[in-house]
Amino acid sequence: EAGVAQSPRYKIIEKRQSVAFWCNPISGHATLYWYQQILGQGPKLLIQFQNNGVVDDSQLPKDRFSAERLKGVDSTLKIQPAKLEDSAVYLCASTSLAGGWNEQFFGPGTRLTVL
Amino acid sequence: DQQVKQNSPSLSVQEGRISILNCDYTNSMFDYFLWYKKYPAEGPTFLISISSIKDKNEDGRFTVFLNKSAKHLSLHIVPSQPGDSAVYFCAASAIVGGGADGLTFGKGTHLIIQP
Repeated sequence: EAGVAQSPRYKIIEKRQSVAFWCNPISGHATLYWYQQILGQGPKLLIQFQNNGVVDDSQLPKDRFSAERLKGVDSTLKIQPAKLEDSAVYLCASTSLAGGWNEQFFGPGTRLTVL
Repeated sequence: DQQVKQNSPSLSVQEGRISILNCDYTNSMFDYFLWYKKYPAEGPTFLISISSIKDKNEDGRFTVFLNKSAKHLSLHIVPSQPGDSAVYFCAASAIVGGGADGLTFGKGTHLIIQP
């Protein structure tokens, strides 16, 4: 079974530029999450999708962050414009909720550096 | 306010001995707990989980204990092996109406297994 795929793996941009990240979840996983992990911290949930609908985006800074999952499979996360404090690893995760257990499978992440 | 706390940033254990990693939580709505292991430049990998209806779950060398009254869980690794050296994250979730919240993570504990 293929895992969660993310690209790019690394990205360096200057502040005020835009950037987008892509995620392909495990096949058949209806629920997809984006997390932000700042150095020295645990991952923090940004947004949760169930199929192509948003379930929870309460922690997403909506003035600069946006995300979509148009066909209920792949997802993109965009930052526009980026700030220095957005430097972090952006992790995508998915789950099937089989049996009701929330075991989430994570991709390798995209490391973003904002200069 | 941190809802999941891992108060030991690092832990050093001799190979062959028992490693005990601790985690405390404050949110009474959490009813599902997970441990993830993370190597550098990789995404977190699911290790073991426990539902709030249990107080112990065992999988090979890994055992998770849950004390609901104290809002405390611990991960025991025995015997510890060099490959266990990694950052371990404690995470918690609430299962609501068949769905699942995003995970709330602690800051992680860096486990170092000494030869």
